[in-house]
Amino acid sequence: QKEVEQNSGPLSVPEGAIASLNCTYSDRGSQSFFWYRQYSGKSPELIMSIYSNGDKEDGRFTAQLNKASQYVSLLIRDSQPSDSATYLCAVTDGAGGYNKLIFGAGTRLAVHP
Amino acid sequence: GAVVSQHPSWVICKSGTSVKIECRSLDFQATTMFWYRQFPKQSLMLMATSNEGSKATYEQGVEKDKFLINHASLTLSTLTVTSAHPEDSSFYICSATPGRGGHEQYFGPGTRLTVT
Repeated sequence: QKEVEQNSGPLSVPEGAIASLNCTYSDRGSQSFFWYRQYSGKSPELIMSIYSNGDKEDGRFTAQLNKASQYVSLLIRDSQPSDSATYLCAVTDGAGGYNKLIFGAGTRLAVHP
Repeated sequence: GAVVSQHPSWVICKSGTSVKIECRSLDFQATTMFWYRQFPKQSLMLMATSNEGSKATYEQGVEKDKFLINHASLTLSTLTVTSAHPEDSSFYICSATPGRGGHEQYFGPGTRLTVT
């Protein structure tokens, strides 16, 4: 059973702090890694993609990938109350065709003023 | 770019009737589209994968005769919930992959189905 594990949270951080979200995956064949943000009652929104080991920065977001440890993380700098949402980690199914993704259950982030 | 629309955004139907949900990629051609359902406070559950012009691939436990998927073109896929029952009430979300080599999926806004 291929799995993507995330801490369900809630992860509570004060406004302006760095939020750190973590994800581990079981499929060593996974090649592409994504972070989605989902507000309550809405559909997921792609915020970061990462394909190679190391860091990738986009604005206040930094994704980190370590394939040897099968670990992906998302850092959100200068957290804002509007960042409060559930963050889903997704990885490609190494054996699946058609670009199938395996999603984690998500980490709920709460940014308080 | 990479906008996906869904219609309707919400629908209420009576038990035993069928409901069709449309998913369109507005500014790209989608080689592959996916259909998910999500119950309150639960994660996404992949129902099926569809490619234009071929039969959908259903996940284990998903009834293909109940959830009919048609991927008629590179920009349109439809999900028909046949003989709907109250337990089919859920949030149905489609996604699409541009297929330029990346595997990112772009999600539609979702359709909330309530079966009475």
